[in-house]
Amino acid sequence: KNQVEQSPQSLIILEGKNCTLQCNYTVSPFSNLRWYKQDTGRGPVSLTIMTFSENTKSNGRYTATLDADTKQSSLHITASQLSDSASYICVVSADTGGFKTIFGAGTRLFVKA
Amino acid sequence: DAGVTQSPTHLIKTRGQQVTLRCSPKSGHDTVSWYQQALGQGPQFIFQYYEEEERQRGNFPDRFSGHQFPNYSSELNVNALLLGDSALYLCASSFLGTSGTEAFFGQGTRLTVV
Repeated sequence: KNQVEQSPQSLIILEGKNCTLQCNYTVSPFSNLRWYKQDTGRGPVSLTIMTFSENTKSNGRYTATLDADTKQSSLHITASQLSDSASYICVVSADTGGFKTIFGAGTRLFVKA
Repeated sequence: DAGVTQSPTHLIKTRGQQVTLRCSPKSGHDTVSWYQQALGQGPQFIFQYYEEEERQRGNFPDRFSGHQFPNYSSELNVNALLLGDSALYLCASSFLGTSGTEAFFGQGTRLTVV
């Protein structure tokens, strides 16, 4: 069964600190993995997208890693800011000819001053 | 260049009624996907439209139907609304070139069924 599991479910950190969010998936055949940031009540905004051959991709203070062998990905946020408070959603696509996209439930991040 | 636009932004309907949500894709995109997102949950795939046809469908009942127009815009229709249909409905557009193409999301329509 194609699944995407994210951890932790929620996280509280102090402004300026770093954090790492985890994503494990069983989607097959794997096509790509994306991390999205979603502010409350808004549509998700793409942070990174990685294909099978990519191990790391950065977007400013956001760095995503992918281990296709263990089917794990992480999103590292450096020097967190109050505006980083949001849900971070891991999305994995399977290349099934018409491609199938599976969303994780997300990690809710709260950054406090 | 306007991104993905959805209308209306908020909507309140009574149980049993019907609702139509609208989505205009990002310029250059030909594929529209619809998602339902309950509070505190990740988006759940409803269906995807390409070339005016439903190409893929998630695990949603037939009460959920859609349409894509020649200009690639799309509608999501929900009949016989239930209280459990209350959610944020997201539209995403993409170009069905490769599966690596990024999907852009609209801001969503918040539907409340009372």
